[in-house]
Amino acid sequence: QVRLVQSGTEVKEPGASVMISCEASGYTFPSYSIHWVRQAPGQGLEWMGVIDPSDGSTTYAQKLHDRLTMTRDTSTSIVNMELSSLRSEDTAVYYCTRELGQWGQGTLVIVSS
Amino acid sequence: DIVMTQTPLSLSVTPGQPASISCKSSQSLLHSDGKTSLFWYLQKPGQPPQLLIYEVSNRFSGVPDRVSGSGSETDFTLKISRVEAEDVGVYYCMQTTQLPVTFGGGTKVEIK
Repeated sequence: QVRLVQSGTEVKEPGASVMISCEASGYTFPSYSIHWVRQAPGQGLEWMGVIDPSDGSTTYAQKLHDRLTMTRDTSTSIVNMELSSLRSEDTAVYYCTRELGQWGQGTLVIVSS
Repeated sequence: DIVMTQTPLSLSVTPGQPASISCKSSQSLLHSDGKTSLFWYLQKPGQPPQLLIYEVSNRFSGVPDRVSGSGSETDFTLKISRVEAEDVGVYYCMQTTQLPVTFGGGTKVEIK
């Protein structure tokens, strides 16, 4: 079955960067795009961007495009999401999702000094 | 960006009674390919969202038939014919017709 397993909780200081990994299994990795969605505490869902694993092409939300990088490794079926210049408002649970159907378990990122 | 507006903000429902959630988009979600990319999710506490409905009215695998979606263009509805305890959580609509993907603000459903 389709599984998306994300890396664990991260605590970062303001200004630092964070990288979250999402390991996919149970399907043909290059055939489905991976989106990233985040959710601040007690808030709704915010789309961050999408990567096409077949060629690595990406589309990012405008408000994040200068701080966000998504990459993929087709040999390991892993997608990485890196967010730089972290601020307190980046504190959230981050989800990877296969074409917005199946979702990973979420990764909590806390940005605090 | 397409703005998705959900109503009501919250709903308290007696078990066995119906529930209905509205989602309105600021632009038509009908794509040039004829598809309407409107999705519904349920997020239970402490869990990632789970897909219920895709392309307006198609139930995802494992979703009971008492859950249904309808609508077109800019007006969409999620209906639960008989609410059960397992239906508690926050429901979100989402569109992927135009990037960026955007979500409604959510509707919290509770059991009376």
